[in-house]
Amino acid sequence: ETGVTQSPTHLIKTRGQQVTLRCSSQSGHNTVSWYQQALGQGPQFIFQYYREEENGRGNFPPRFSGLQFPNYSSELNVNALELDDSALYLCASSYRTGGNSPLHFGNGTRLTVT
Amino acid sequence: GQQVMQIPQYQHVQEGEDFTTYCNSSTTLSNIQWYKQRPGGHPVFLIQLVKSGEVKKQKRLTFQFGEAKKNSSLHITATQTTDVGTYFCAPWQAAGNKLTFGGGTRVLVKP
Repeated sequence: ETGVTQSPTHLIKTRGQQVTLRCSSQSGHNTVSWYQQALGQGPQFIFQYYREEENGRGNFPPRFSGLQFPNYSSELNVNALELDDSALYLCASSYRTGGNSPLHFGNGTRLTVT
Repeated sequence: GQQVMQIPQYQHVQEGEDFTTYCNSSTTLSNIQWYKQRPGGHPVFLIQLVKSGEVKKQKRLTFQFGEAKKNSSLHITATQTTDVGTYFCAPWQAAGNKLTFGGGTRVLVKP
């Protein structure tokens, strides 16, 4: 089975720009969650997608948005980038939504905003 | 929202020694997962605890869920250099449908 893959691995953007990060979920998984991890911190929940709809959201502003596609892959879009958006963005897929399913993480996208 | 505190934040351990990291919550947790993140890597699922007082073992790792389901611990015996990394507890928060992560305990092993 293929694991969770994310692209790109690294990205440098300028403040005010927009960025799209991509994630392919592990085969058999229908739920995708996105997390932001600042250096030295724990992952912070951004949102979760299930059956192509947002299924839960953390304390992130609306300029953080996402999509899930019929094949369960997902995108994270961030508009009007700020310096504090510099972080590792982790995508995680799970077998189902809800609290009993372990998350399988990708290697992440390292975003630097200058 | 539901917050968990992990202590200690850093743990320097001599190879071969034991140590414990703790995860504490002010509210009752429905369940809790533990993850390990190696330096430069991504979090990897270790275990899930659901029942009050539950104890689960994985080789040298022992995970425990408190009787009141407000705290959890991870105990590692005979620490090895392969244990280096950050250990996160992650309780499930039904309100918001999300798995929240603690700040983690970063473990460094001295050979």
